[in-house]
Amino acid sequence: RKEVEQDPGPFNVPEGATVAFNCTYSNSASQSFFWYRQDCRKEPKLLMSVYSSGNEDGRFTAQLNRASQYISLLIRDSKLSDSATYLCVVNIRRGSARQLTFGSGTQLTVLP
Amino acid sequence: GAVVSQHPSRVICKSGTSVKIECRSLDFQATTMFWYRQFPKQSLMLMATSNEGSKATYEQGVEKDKFLINHASLTLSTLTVTSAHPEDSSFYICSTDGSSYNEQFFGPGTRLTVL
Repeated sequence: RKEVEQDPGPFNVPEGATVAFNCTYSNSASQSFFWYRQDCRKEPKLLMSVYSSGNEDGRFTAQLNRASQYISLLIRDSKLSDSATYLCVVNIRRGSARQLTFGSGTQLTVLP
Repeated sequence: GAVVSQHPSRVICKSGTSVKIECRSLDFQATTMFWYRQFPKQSLMLMATSNEGSKATYEQGVEKDKFLINHASLTLSTLTVTSAHPEDSSFYICSTDGSSYNEQFFGPGTRLTVL
């Protein structure tokens, strides 16, 4: 079983739609959680951190459920520029080191 | 956030040659850097953790004699792919451990193609 699992998609949605991505993680010792965005042939960029209380940044809302080991990302009013691969990322402390474990990503295409 | 550069951005080489990739932290002293590899349509996979002034820690399945890592200063880590073969063709990305607990800052990546 993968440590971080995501639906690979692709999700093809029209502009203005609301789209939700889900992610589950297997290591209960995971300490922090993120959504990253990766454009084609580029490095991943941090989109937002994810907290149990939920957090919102403009059109983006992220939620963490520690009991279910489940993370979500909601994008409202999709824009063409939102087209990218969204990576669910978990930070696990191993000894003195902190390591990021990446999901395989969910591909989103927003259509005009 | 920190600025991380990588050089070269793209390299094409013949099978059997060695390729060195540099990762620089431009405005941040990075005691720890991470090297990832990403094959097409797959996720980033951590290869190794590079520690300034000491040996790198390699993930299971990554050959330390094939992927040589040197972290000689607080701003530079290098990854050398020795005797590269076509199956080593991939996108190699480095990152630094950010000053905050949460964040890593990624370099722009190096796309390696071995013919």
